[in-house]
Amino acid sequence: GEEVAQTPKHLVRGEGQKAKLYCAPIKGHSYVFWYQQVLKNEFKFLISFQNENVFDETGMPKERFSAKCLPNSPCSLEIQATKLEDSAVYFCASSQGTKTYNEQFFGPGTRLTVL
Amino acid sequence: RKEVEQDPGPFNVPEGATVAFNCTYSNSASQSFFWYRQDCRKEPKLLMSVYSSGNEDGRFTAQLNRASQYISLLIRDSKLSDSATYLCVVNKGGNDMRFGAGTRLTVKP
Repeated sequence: GEEVAQTPKHLVRGEGQKAKLYCAPIKGHSYVFWYQQVLKNEFKFLISFQNENVFDETGMPKERFSAKCLPNSPCSLEIQATKLEDSAVYFCASSQGTKTYNEQFFGPGTRLTVL
Repeated sequence: RKEVEQDPGPFNVPEGATVAFNCTYSNSASQSFFWYRQDCRKEPKLLMSVYSSGNEDGRFTAQLNRASQYISLLIRDSKLSDSATYLCVVNKGGNDMRFGAGTRLTVKP
């Protein structure tokens, strides 16, 4: 598609429940990025993919967070056993990735609320 | 120390004012630099790239000082519509981007 699509728009989970977020990058873009933005505007990098391969996962809290980008499927970010501090907006972005820098185009985000 | 640091503000300025934001980065090998704009919890959008020679786009001017590892954004003749959060973004290499926490600007009538 022409835009990065993220679903769902809002997600509410009780503490300890699983949360799964989806992202469809712009068609033709080979890089996908996940970011977490909590209330105070802190914009935290989580993980990036080059096609279906993990490119950089230095921001991922590995105990409960996992992510995948499989061929012909939306990318996903999954949080096992959510905690209150996981409440945030999760943004996905994609870029072409053919040059030193390519503009990252962001999806509208998924707002996760953990109660 | 954070990789990219910005003054969170908020900056509250009257219409027509000139306002400047600074951003510092820790990785001297960083390759490219950008300002993104984020409106009220919406997705960030690229405002402008920042070049060593400095660059201007209408009322917006961006500067890069590699020796001091800081980036600036100057907004002249502020408009109400400039109210937003401005995110400083540093590309460490390839597509490895790091965002600052953002500086919030409110332009008042």
